[in-house]
Amino acid sequence: NAGVMQNPRHLVRRRGQEARLRCSPMKGHSHVYWYRQLPEEGLKFMVYLQKENIIDESGMPKERFSAEFPKEGPSILRIQQVVRGDSAAYFCASSPDRYTQYFGPGTRLTVL
Amino acid sequence: AQSVTQPDIHITVSEGASLELRCNYSYGATPYLFWYVQSPGQGLQLLLKYFSGDTLVQGIKGFEAEFKRSQSSFNLRKPSVHWSDAAEYFCAVLNSGGSNYKLTFGKGTLLTVNP
Repeated sequence: NAGVMQNPRHLVRRRGQEARLRCSPMKGHSHVYWYRQLPEEGLKFMVYLQKENIIDESGMPKERFSAEFPKEGPSILRIQQVVRGDSAAYFCASSPDRYTQYFGPGTRLTVL
Repeated sequence: AQSVTQPDIHITVSEGASLELRCNYSYGATPYLFWYVQSPGQGLQLLLKYFSGDTLVQGIKGFEAEFKRSQSSFNLRKPSVHWSDAAEYFCAVLNSGGSNYKLTFGKGTLLTVNP
């Protein structure tokens, strides 16, 4: 069983551009989570999704960030008009049952 | 709100020595607890988890952890450390209930292994 897939692994954007991060959960997992890791803040929850539904987005910045998990295809975390402070590692996790979360390798976003 | 404290930012041990990484949590209900390991530039790998039952849980790579409700602790142990164990270790508690199923992480403990 393949693990959680994330792509790209590294993404470089200039300020003002858009970043799209993709996550394919493990087979049979219908719960997807996004976390952000910043050097001084550690790992922080951003959003929890099930197919076609956002369940909990309490950790998402109110502006420029959005997430989706469509009926078909991967989950997408979208950051519009990126700023330098968005530079971080973004991790996706999936779960078969909401309790145990399995993480992907992450996307390292660098904003120039 | 729930929280996780890992008091040791950085620990150095010699290869073959025993290891204990500390974790304290704050959570109102019965906690679901996890330990993850992260190698440089990699994602997080699940080492072990505690939901209920036996308070001593076994994980992968020879790790174990003991849940102590009276001390609000979930310390990770390994009897003999290998050089490949050098990594960062994160303790986490699951906020469960309602629509909330998110992990709250400690700041992590960086483990260095000396030959």
